[in-house]
Amino acid sequence: GNSVTQMEGPVTLSEEAFLTINCTYTATGYPSLFWYVQYPGEGLQLLLKATKADDKGSNKGFEATYRKETTSFHLEKGSVQVSDSAVYFCALAETSGSRLTFGEGTQLTVNP
Amino acid sequence: GAVVSQHPSRVICKSGTSVKIECRSLDFQATTMFWYRQFPKQSLMLMATSNEGSKATYEQGVEKDKFLINHASLTLSTLTVTSAHPEDSSFYICSARDNRAGGNSPLHFGNGTRLTVT
Repeated sequence: GNSVTQMEGPVTLSEEAFLTINCTYTATGYPSLFWYVQYPGEGLQLLLKATKADDKGSNKGFEATYRKETTSFHLEKGSVQVSDSAVYFCALAETSGSRLTFGEGTQLTVNP
Repeated sequence: GAVVSQHPSRVICKSGTSVKIECRSLDFQATTMFWYRQFPKQSLMLMATSNEGSKATYEQGVEKDKFLINHASLTLSTLTVTSAHPEDSSFYICSARDNRAGGNSPLHFGNGTRLTVT
């Protein structure tokens, strides 16, 4: 079946540091890939997505590239801010249907 | 953008009582909604898929009689936790996909409901 594996957290960075959160997946077909962000006490918000190989999703300074050869979708940001502190979830959606499979989530804390 | 409203945001109930959580799509119609449960510092576990006008599809290990799902309209799904116990305390999140969007389009999530059973 499908699965998503994220790097273990928590991750603690200083403001303006470079961020990478690794995500790899296992899927039988050609899934779409997503990064969701969850702020404390809230639901999930879509951060970015990619629907096919070599697509790059980007939003709010965050980027992730769909790498089919390495089955990865690593999240990166060049300069993090305190306001980026949240839990980040990598997820995939099957080619048919609407089910989302989530990774374990990575807690990011950015200190001023 | 598409908004999913979930209510209540927090609820505290006594053991043995039932609690209803509502999930509404405010500016779109959703034939399918999803209910997730999230334990502290863990990922989201899909509990069930809610289908408008038909029975919900439950994931393996989720008790149908305990977590009642009703999807009576294209904009509303409800999750009722029946005879709640302290182990049911958790963060419940609903999500919905706009009917106008494709099968792999992103889900829109509610802000979640923090249930505490005392």
